[in-house]
Amino acid sequence: AQTVTQSQPEMSVQEAETVTLSCTYDTSENNYYLFWYKQPPSRQMILVIRQEAYKQQNATENRFSVNFQKAAKSFSLKISDSQLGDTAMYFCAFMNPGSQGNLIFGKGTKLSVKP
Amino acid sequence: SAVISQKPSRDICQRGTSLTIQCQVDSQVTMMFWYRQQPGQSLTLIATANQGSEATYESGFVIDKFPISRPNLTFSTLTVSNMSPEDSSIYLCSVVWQSYEQYFGPGTRLTVT
Repeated sequence: AQTVTQSQPEMSVQEAETVTLSCTYDTSENNYYLFWYKQPPSRQMILVIRQEAYKQQNATENRFSVNFQKAAKSFSLKISDSQLGDTAMYFCAFMNPGSQGNLIFGKGTKLSVKP
Repeated sequence: SAVISQKPSRDICQRGTSLTIQCQVDSQVTMMFWYRQQPGQSLTLIATANQGSEATYESGFVIDKFPISRPNLTFSTLTVSNMSPEDSSIYLCSVVWQSYEQYFGPGTRLTVT
C-alpha cells in the first residue's frame, strides 16, 4: 500500500523568505501523480501544484516549485518570496491513476508566515 | 477547473440523528468522492460515487453509516447516520478534473453534541 510522510508538523518563515516543505512517499508503482494542497483556516482545499512521475522536469507554478526525486521517492515544495497569505496547512498527496482518483494524503505541515 | 459547492457549510447536531450533506458541481463529472477530515487530522477517503452505480466504500466505512446518492453527473449527497460525537469532522466532496487534478468543495463542518 502507498504511504505519504510529511516529517515536519510545523514550520515558520519570515515574510519574503523561502521555505521548503518535505514529503516522502512509498510505492511500487512506476506511473503516478503527486500533489501539494493548501488548506488555509477557511478549510478550502486548494490545489497548489501537480507532478507526473514520468516527467523528469520539476513542476513550477509562480512562487511554488517542487523538487521531485523519483529514485529517492521525495517530493518537496519550495515557496519563494513567502507572503502572509501562504499561512496554511500544506498536504502532500499521492495518486495512482489505476485507483480511480483515490488521493492518499500525508498528515500535513502547518506553515506560518511571520511579518 | 470545476466549481464545487456544499450545503450546509456547518451544522451542530444531536447524537442519534442524521445529517445529509449536498455537493453540487458546475460541470458534469464521472466520479465524485467524499472525504472526512477529523479535527487536526489529514483527509481520509470515505467512498467513491459514480453516477448510476452503488458507491464504493473504503475500509472502515459502511453504507449503513454513510449512505451516498448520486442521481446525476453534477450532484451527490452523503448522509451521516445515527451520529455520535466521534463523527464530528469536516466532510468534503471532490471531483477529478483533467489530468487527474482533484478539486474540493468548501467542506461541511459537523459538530455532534
